[in-house]
Amino acid sequence: DAGVIQSPRHEVTEMGQEVTLRCKPISGHDYLFWYRQTMMRGLELLIYFNNNVPIDDSGMPEDRFSAKMPNASFSTLKIQPSEPRDSAVYFCASSSSTDTQYFGPGTRLTVL
Amino acid sequence: GQQLNQSPQSMFIQEGEDVSMNCTSSSIFNTWLWYKQDPGEGPVLLIALYKAGELTSNGRLTAQFGITRKDSFLNISASIPSDVGIYFCAGPLAGGTSYGKLTFGQGTILTVHP
Repeated sequence: DAGVIQSPRHEVTEMGQEVTLRCKPISGHDYLFWYRQTMMRGLELLIYFNNNVPIDDSGMPEDRFSAKMPNASFSTLKIQPSEPRDSAVYFCASSSSTDTQYFGPGTRLTVL
Repeated sequence: GQQLNQSPQSMFIQEGEDVSMNCTSSSIFNTWLWYKQDPGEGPVLLIALYKAGELTSNGRLTAQFGITRKDSFLNISASIPSDVGIYFCAGPLAGGTSYGKLTFGQGTILTVHP
């Protein structure tokens, strides 16, 4: 079975550019989570969705970050404009309402 | 807010040794989860604990849910090189579920020397 799929795996961009990260959750899962991981702050929850609806976005750092889930099989996390301090590994995870979270392989973002 | 404190932060051991790490909180958790993250990958669930006092094994891994509900430990017996990685404890916020919003510990970095 396919797990959570994220793309791209690596992204290098310049400060000020728009970055879009993509996630395909496990089929049948109704929860989707976006995390950010850095050495300094560890794993931080940015936002999560239930049945495509954003439930809690209190972890989103600022207005430069936005996330959407247009359907049950796709979500995006967008950063516009990007800054060097946004450099991190971004994980998408999904779960069903009877099971724990499963993580994707992550997108390593470097903003120069 | 709720925090999970993991210790030790890092461990350097020889292949074949046993490993023990733990996680504590000032708040009560109803579920404890242990994840492992391999280099360059996302965290993978190892063991889930749902009841105070519960002791669960998964191969060479054993985890226990503390009876106070404020702590949990993970043991790895007879370590092998592929045990290298970062181990995270996690749990849902008060009143939450294991499939909902989770709090993660800072992680324990394990290095195994052959």
